[in-house]
Parts: sequence; structure tokens; C-alpha cells
Amino acid sequence: GAVVSQHPSRVICKSGTSVKIECRSLDFQATTMFWYRQFPKQSLMLMATSNEGSKATYEQGVEKDKFLINHASLTLSTLTVTSAHPEDSSFYICSARDPLAGGEGNTIYFGEGSWLTVV
Amino acid sequence: AQKVTQAQTEISVVEKEDVTLDCVYETRDTTYYLFWYKQPPSGELVFLIRRNSFDEQNEISGRYSWNFQKSTSSFNFTITASQVVDSAVYFCALSEWGTSYDKVIFGPGTSLSVIP
Repeated sequence: GAVVSQHPSRVICKSGTSVKIECRSLDFQATTMFWYRQFPKQSLMLMATSNEGSKATYEQGVEKDKFLINHASLTLSTLTVTSAHPEDSSFYICSARDPLAGGEGNTIYFGEGSWLTVV
Repeated sequence: AQKVTQAQTEISVVEKEDVTLDCVYETRDTTYYLFWYKQPPSGELVFLIRRNSFDEQNEISGRYSWNFQKSTSSFNFTITASQVVDSAVYFCALSEWGTSYDKVIFGPGTSLSVIP
């Protein structure tokens, strides 16, 4: 079935560096993908909507210059955390909907998530 | 505005007990979907169920059952005869027709611990 895959699953980076997380739809083309962030013991919060071929739409309070999103193809969206700091350490997870799957709602697929630790 | 509330932050039960996780939602849309996801310590979200706003039938899947009541805007989840493997964080979530159902808004989650 359709799968959304993220890479890397875990990454540790030094403070001040940038790190890129990839989100791929393996069996379908996704014009829109979503990025969520989850701090320890908290819920998943939507960060931004990634639109293929256009600029991402960020939720209120999310710094677009810090969290760069690129959706250059129908199967790949990337999230780059620039100048990462320890407070950016979090679990990042993406989602995508298969537009050709029957029905709506349950055709939203989530990636496995990426644990980011900034030291 | 949409909002999902899960009043129970943490629940502990002894194995084989039944447990109900509460979920109350708010939305102005008349068409929406409700979900339950399980998140084990590994972090990956496990899809459990989706319910369309027009379908208020309760559903049972093995030890899992869901009670959807539009009158009280609730979508509660019951685990019967709980097992240690049920220990996880459970999220209730909502997506609306107004956002093409793509945006999934999560509740705060309920951490369930099943004690052997």
C-alpha cells in the first residue's frame, strides 16, 4: 500500500548547524505534504503545509526562515532546520494524502518521524 | 476554529481491565473526519480508525470500540480487556472539509499504561 517514508529517522547535530529531513511518498504523488513537530510528552503540532512547486504555508508562530521547506517534486518534500539550537530538538513527522485513493480522510499517511537532537 | 480535547492526560489500568479514552471536538464544519491514532514509544503513528461526520454508527474492531456521538461532540475509544501492548499515547484527531481534509489537528493525547 501507499507509504510515506522519512529520512533520517534519527539525527544529532551541533548547535548552529543546519539539518535536512526528507519526506517521500513511495507509491503515490503528493501535491501537498504536511510537517508536524512534537516536543516530548506533547501533541503533534502542525508547522507548515508543503506545496509542490510553490511556497510553503506556515502556521502562526513558525519561523519560515528557520524551517525551510522545499517541495520540488511530487514525491519529495524536505524540511531544513537552519542554525539549529537545542530548543529545536524534537520529533518531526510529515504526512501526505494519496489523492487517487478511494474516499477521503483515511488516505492521509504519516511518515515514521525523525528524531532531531541538537547538542 | 477547530479543537480536539482529551481530558485524560494519563491513565493507568491493570491488565485485563477495560478502559475508555475520552475525546471531545469542536468544529464549525458540518463535514469532517475524526481519527484515533496510537503512538508507541518508537514515535510512529499507528492509524486506528477514521469516522465520517455523517456516520454515527459505533464500531467494534476486536478489543477496540468507538462511540461517536455528534450530540455531545464526542468520539470516545474503549479498549476491552487491556493488554500490556496497549501501553502507548493515544491521539484523537480531526480534519475538516474546509481544509480538504488534509490538515489533521491532534488532541493533546492520553498516555495509557497497562500494568501487568
